[in-house]
Amino acid sequence: QQQVKQSPQSLIVQKGGISIINCAYENTAFDYFPWYQQFPGKGPALLIAIRPDVSEKKEGRFTISFNKSAKQFSLHIMDSQPGDSATYFCAARSLGGGADGLTFGKGTHLIIQP
Amino acid sequence: NAGVTQTPKFQVLKTGQSMTLQCAQDMNHEYMSWYRQDPGMGLRLIHYSVGAGITDQGEVPNGYNVSRSTTEDFPLRLLSAAPSQTSVYFCASSYSGPTTDTQYFGPGTRLTVL
Repeated sequence: QQQVKQSPQSLIVQKGGISIINCAYENTAFDYFPWYQQFPGKGPALLIAIRPDVSEKKEGRFTISFNKSAKQFSLHIMDSQPGDSATYFCAARSLGGGADGLTFGKGTHLIIQP
Repeated sequence: NAGVTQTPKFQVLKTGQSMTLQCAQDMNHEYMSWYRQDPGMGLRLIHYSVGAGITDQGEVPNGYNVSRSTTEDFPLRLLSAAPSQTSVYFCASSYSGPTTDTQYFGPGTRLTVL
């Protein structure tokens, strides 16, 4: 049972465009939603995260939009740059109980064309 | 701070061999986890630990053992390697507080089982 569904699997965006990656979750106990960025040969690194008490969080060119009623959240990368080319993972966990790590989406391979 | 370190970076095993993947962190984090990453599957949790002496199973624990004798170290043992265990393995650690849970990932170990 996949608890976090991520789409698309791959995405090609022109430099300067907006990259959008979507995730949906099933477990209503999730209350922490991070996005991780992974470059080839490296471990994932936290990019930005949100809790469900806000509908949007922005850090520089990266924005998370969160829709609690729809159980969906998305990552928007504004003014996408070739250096943003990487694999992006959404994730979720329940901070309040259990300590069983993050549940990850399957990842989106993003390519920014110059 | 070295962060999260993993050894070895690469390993080739024959079916049936055993080995231990090492993971250490110097951030005094209570939580440590092991994930495996396979193409198209994202990251899946193998085992995790909420502190020294305490471990528990994640999503895909079969064929792996862990122990946590110190806060710093969290080794992953493959008891009898199988080709299905060919993967990239990531160790992660975090300080899980009430409002945040940034997981720091190591650089990974790429394991091939022949």
